[in-house]
Amino acid sequence: GNSVTQMEGPVTLSEEAFLTINCTYTATGYPSLFWYVQYPGEGLQLLLKATKADDKGSNKGFEATYRKETTSFHLEKGSVQVSDSAVYFCALSDQSGYSTLTFGKGTMLLVSP
Amino acid sequence: GAVVSQHPSRVICKSGTSVKIECRSLDFQATTMFWYRQFPKKSLMLMATSNEGSKATYEQGVEKDKFLINHASLTLSTLTVTSAHPEDSSFYICSAPSFNEQFFGPGTRLTVL
Repeated sequence: GNSVTQMEGPVTLSEEAFLTINCTYTATGYPSLFWYVQYPGEGLQLLLKATKADDKGSNKGFEATYRKETTSFHLEKGSVQVSDSAVYFCALSDQSGYSTLTFGKGTMLLVSP
Repeated sequence: GAVVSQHPSRVICKSGTSVKIECRSLDFQATTMFWYRQFPKKSLMLMATSNEGSKATYEQGVEKDKFLINHASLTLSTLTVTSAHPEDSSFYICSAPSFNEQFFGPGTRLTVL
């Protein structure tokens, strides 16, 4: 079956530091890959997505590239802000959007001033 | 973008009582909605797929008699936790798809005393 593995947190960074959150997946076929963000007290929001190999998703300074050869979808940001503090979830679906999502366990990011 | 609401956002109940959680798509119609459960420091676990006009599809290990799902209209799905016990205390999140993207509700924190 499908599974998503992401690095354990919390990840603690100073403002303007470089961020990487690793995510690898196991799936049959060609899944779509997603990063969701959950701010304190709020629901999940889609941060970015990629639907095929070598696609790069990007949003709000965050990027992730769909690497089929390494089955990875690592999240990166060049300079984090305090407001980026949240829990980040890597996820996959067999189809784009309408099928169920398989989530990683989430990585908490804490950014200090 | 599409908005999904949940009500209530937080509920505390006594052991043995039943609790109903509503999930609404506010500006779009959803023939399918998904119910997730989120444990502390754990990922979201898909509980069931709610289908408008037909029975819900439950994931393996989820008791359908305990977690009753009703998809009464194209904008409303309800999850009823029957005879709740302290181990049912959790964060329950719903989602609905629209245009190849999943939109999540803000979640409902259930505490069973």
